[in-house]
Amino acid sequence: DAGITQSPRHKVTETGTPVTLRCHQTENHRYMYWYRQDPGHGLRLIHYSYGVKDTDKGEVSDGYSVSRSKTEDFLLTLESATSSQTSVYFCAISEVASTGELFFGEGSRLTVL
Amino acid sequence: SQKIEQNSEALNIQEGKTATLTCNYTNYSPAYLQWYRQDPGRGPVFLLLIRENEKEKRKERLKVTFDTTLKQSLFHITASQPADSATYLCALDRSGGGADGLTFGKGTHLIIQP
Repeated sequence: DAGITQSPRHKVTETGTPVTLRCHQTENHRYMYWYRQDPGHGLRLIHYSYGVKDTDKGEVSDGYSVSRSKTEDFLLTLESATSSQTSVYFCAISEVASTGELFFGEGSRLTVL
Repeated sequence: SQKIEQNSEALNIQEGKTATLTCNYTNYSPAYLQWYRQDPGRGPVFLLLIRENEKEKRKERLKVTFDTTLKQSLFHITASQPADSATYLCALDRSGGGADGLTFGKGTHLIIQP
């Protein structure tokens, strides 16, 4: 199994509070991604990174920011959580851009009350 | 915008039969298409990748076809087993083989009845 660790795995927070989810990889893969998964929507890309300090927006990036200061860590921040951000968040990594095969973490379940 | 459609209804198949899942897409010409398996409470797991110039790909009991004219991929599991029960996701590259991730379908829930 690819070495991907997400933390926390479960979090309950209140509307308006900041939340940071962490993705840590031990594979030294260049590309990292944050997806959210919701019933009726499937997996949707939030942000991705193609190298240290190189990030870009996905299709549902509003309300989220990311940072990647080291190859192994990709942080997802909700500056002011809203109930619509209640979801399961998955981090994924990829070694090669040309095929894009993704290895996923186990997910972080976030509940915003 | 890119749109990917998979069977929204759960698919019930008798053990030992072949399960066939469909993935249709519009408004896009992907360089490749991928299939993933997802079990409840777990992250998706990569199964197979097929490129635009390939008609068919096989891996053990799995077979994927890719028809770029019909804009459709079929995913087959032969000699299905209850352990094959899961949600199967179809995914397309977002930009013709670039590094900006995949677009996923909503998945088809497959149930293999003993």
